[in-house]
Amino acid sequence: DAGVIQSPRHEVTEMGQEVTLRCKPISGHDYLFWYRQTMMRGLELLIYFNNNVPIDDSGMPEDRFSAKMPNASFSTLKIQPSEPRDSAVYFCASSLRGGLDGYTFGSGTRLTVV
Amino acid sequence: AQSVTQPDIHITVSEGASLELRCNYSYGATPYLFWYVQSPGQGLQLLLKYFSGDTLVQGIKGFEAEFKRSQSSFNLRKPSVHWSDAAEFFCAVFSTGGFKTIFGAGTRLFVKA
Repeated sequence: DAGVIQSPRHEVTEMGQEVTLRCKPISGHDYLFWYRQTMMRGLELLIYFNNNVPIDDSGMPEDRFSAKMPNASFSTLKIQPSEPRDSAVYFCASSLRGGLDGYTFGSGTRLTVV
Repeated sequence: AQSVTQPDIHITVSEGASLELRCNYSYGATPYLFWYVQSPGQGLQLLLKYFSGDTLVQGIKGFEAEFKRSQSSFNLRKPSVHWSDAAEFFCAVFSTGGFKTIFGAGTRLFVKA
């Protein structure tokens, strides 16, 4: 398996623009997680899915953030409109047992909003 | 509330020396504990995990960790550090109540020649 695949690796956008981050989890993993990493706040869980259904989105910072998982092999995290304070590294991770067995992380998307 | 504390923000060790990274957790029930490593520009990689049984667990890359319930600790060790071990290390606990993994703030390891 190629692991968890995220795209793009880097994204630079202007404030106010829409940003879409993409993730392909490991085949067979029923859980998918979106995390955000910053120096100030560390790793923050934004949302997670089980069998393509959003289970907990309490970490999504604002209505500007939305996430979807239309099928078992694809998820998106969208920010609209983007703001400079959204600059961070966004990670997608997948798991077979929801975290009981640990996560497999993607390489992340480094987002810079100018 | 569940929490994970990594007291050391960064640690510097000489190549070939032994390493111990500290982790303390706060959790009511039997914890599911993890150590992850993050190399620059990469995602986190699972090093090892503890659920139950033998309190000394072996992981990848020669790392091991020991669970001590009495001290609420899960320290990571390596007998001899290599320059390629330089990275950031995260301790984590899985909360079955909230079904979430709580990560520590991380410890950055520097290895000097």
